[in-house]
Amino acid sequence: DIVLTQSPLSLTATPGEPASISCRSSQSLLHSNGYKYLSWYLLKPGQSPQLLIYLGSNRASGVPDRFSGSGSGTDFTLKISRVEAEDVGVYYCMHALQNPFTFGGGTKVEI
Amino acid sequence: QVQLVQSGAEVKKPGASVRVSCKASGYTFTNYPIHWVRQAPGQTLEWMGWINAGNGYTKYSQTFQGRVTFTRDTSTNTVYMELRGLRSEDTAVYYCARFFGDYEAMDVWGKGTTVSVSS
Repeated sequence: DIVLTQSPLSLTATPGEPASISCRSSQSLLHSNGYKYLSWYLLKPGQSPQLLIYLGSNRASGVPDRFSGSGSGTDFTLKISRVEAEDVGVYYCMHALQNPFTFGGGTKVEI
Repeated sequence: QVQLVQSGAEVKKPGASVRVSCKASGYTFTNYPIHWVRQAPGQTLEWMGWINAGNGYTKYSQTFQGRVTFTRDTSTNTVYMELRGLRSEDTAVYYCARFFGDYEAMDVWGKGTTVSVSS
């Protein structure tokens, strides 16, 4: 199974300042079609996960442009250019390259 | 709008079974697979498997193989997840999620169903 390792486990962000989360995969998530099968989700307290980024770097509909995703086949980064109070929660990366899909351990973001 | 509505919270005893439903609306049900993901207290998200809502094909995580069954009812646009032989470690919030193939990601999630297993 593919293992996704996120870091840091938690971070305390300052409103208006940038924040960055890393997701490292135990094997390349680059599909033969050229797409990277890595997505990012935010789980806010009391809510269900929401999709932020798909295929490594594409923002989902309705996601503010302060969120961006990047990465190579095994190292991925989610960046928040200017953190806002509403961004608190736990962020997860997930791969969809093969069964079983797996999630990273999560990164808790607090203000 | 596109949404997935899940059934309510369940309390079960060890060894029992639970069935959680996930009713889809706002899109063509048979065009999208539904995945199941759970989160135990203090743990990360755990993928359980998926069902092709069109033809009923299923794929399960090895972790749950033999204990879980996904089914779907195309007349009511509903997917079901049954987990058998419940143990305390199965206490979790269970989510269903629509998988959008163009994104290779889960773009719509249910609100989750809390399943508590306790004697």
